[in-house]
Amino acid sequence: AQSVTQPDIHITVSEGASLELRCNYSYGATPYLFWYVQSPGQGLQLLLKYFSGDTLVQGIKGFEAEFKRSQSSFNLRKPSVHWSDAAEYFCAVGADTGNQFYFGTGTSLTVIP
Amino acid sequence: KAGVTQTPRYLIKTRGQQVTLSCSPISGHRSVSWYQQTPGQGLQFLFEYFSETQRNKGNFPGRFSGRQFSNSRSEMNVSTLELGDSALYLCASSTQTGATEAFFGQGTRLTVV
Repeated sequence: AQSVTQPDIHITVSEGASLELRCNYSYGATPYLFWYVQSPGQGLQLLLKYFSGDTLVQGIKGFEAEFKRSQSSFNLRKPSVHWSDAAEYFCAVGADTGNQFYFGTGTSLTVIP
Repeated sequence: KAGVTQTPRYLIKTRGQQVTLSCSPISGHRSVSWYQQTPGQGLQFLFEYFSETQRNKGNFPGRFSGRQFSNSRSEMNVSTLELGDSALYLCASSTQTGATEAFFGQGTRLTVV
């Protein structure tokens, strides 16, 4: 069965520090992987996606993620966090049979000045 | 290009009532999916419609139903509302069925009292 695990419920980082959010997935076939961000009271915005090819993918707002098949991971990184990055981050795996996503439980990011 | 529009943004209903939520996808998008987001359960897939046909369905009771019109607009209906149905309901649109990026609306916040 498909599933996504985000082991960190909440992370606090200082502005300017680097960030890594962890994501592990379980999926029988080639995974289609996504990271979304959600600000309070808002919908989800796509940060980046991985379908195939280069395992290091670049996204918007300076984010990147690396797909590691051997570890079933798709961790999100940013070299220098800005206060505006404070939000909830969701990792998701997409089913190849439809517009259906399996989401992790999310990681809440707090940025301190 | 307009984004995904969900109406209404906020809704308060009484237990036992029914409710209809609306989603207008991005122009040209034919796939619409619905998700329920709650603090306890996270983001859960409800169903997906493509070209007026339900393609996938999540594990929700029959009180939750949906439909899609010829212009790709979609509605979801919840009958006999329960307190546990209080949630943020998110709609996502995509250009096609099959794993691809989805664009989310801002959601409808449903409160059942």
